Amino acid sequence: QVQLVESGGGVVQPGRSLRLSCAASGFTFSGNGMHWVRQAPGKGLEWVADIWNDGSKQYYADSVKGRFTISRDNSKNTLYLQMNSLRAEDTAVYYCARDVWHNSAYYLDYWGQGTLVTVSS
Amino acid sequence: QSVLTQPPSASGTPGQWVTISCSGSSSNIGSKTVNWYQQFPGTAPKLLIYGNNQRPSGVPDRFSGSKSGTSASLAISGLQSEDEADYYCAAWGDSLNGYVFGTGTKVTVL
Repeated sequence: QVQLVESGGGVVQPGRSLRLSCAASGFTFSGNGMHWVRQAPGKGLEWVADIWNDGSKQYYADSVKGRFTISRDNSKNTLYLQMNSLRAEDTAVYYCARDVWHNSAYYLDYWGQGTLVTVSS
Repeated sequence: QSVLTQPPSASGTPGQWVTISCSGSSSNIGSKTVNWYQQFPGTAPKLLIYGNNQRPSGVPDRFSGSKSGTSASLAISGLQSEDEADYYCAAWGDSLNGYVFGTGTKVTVL
């Protein structure tokens, strides 16, 4: 079955960097686009970034553009999020999710369990 | 910052019908299909409705979705205690070139 497992979260000081990983299994990883979505404590869901199945295109939310980089290694079935110049407002649970195009519908169908990033001095 | 607007809360007694609205614009709901997610505290969101009104395998048929113009709705018929959760609408946003989520609605079963 489809599994997405995030790792790499933790406590980091403002201005520092962190890299998140999302290990995928149970499906052909190179066949789907992938996303990062975050949720600040007590808040709603916020889309962060996505990457095409072949890694050729990436899109970012304005709140992270220029600081975060999404990438993937299809040979390792792994998605990454490199987060630089972290700010307190980046504190959140970060989820990776798989996207699907089906009969003109576009949606995120499977999500990982999330990894918590806390930016604090 | 969410571009899809939902009411912050909704409630009903067991067995009642509850609806949640989701208001967007021509660059998201108006031109793209709408999805709904259910989230319990401390857990990841789960896909509830996709393509405006399609239910993934395993989702009870008491959940239904609809879309009209730049708005969408999620309906829960025969509300059950286990439906108490947060619900989010979502769609691709052309103007933002990203996936946009609603502000979220907390459903309480009285």
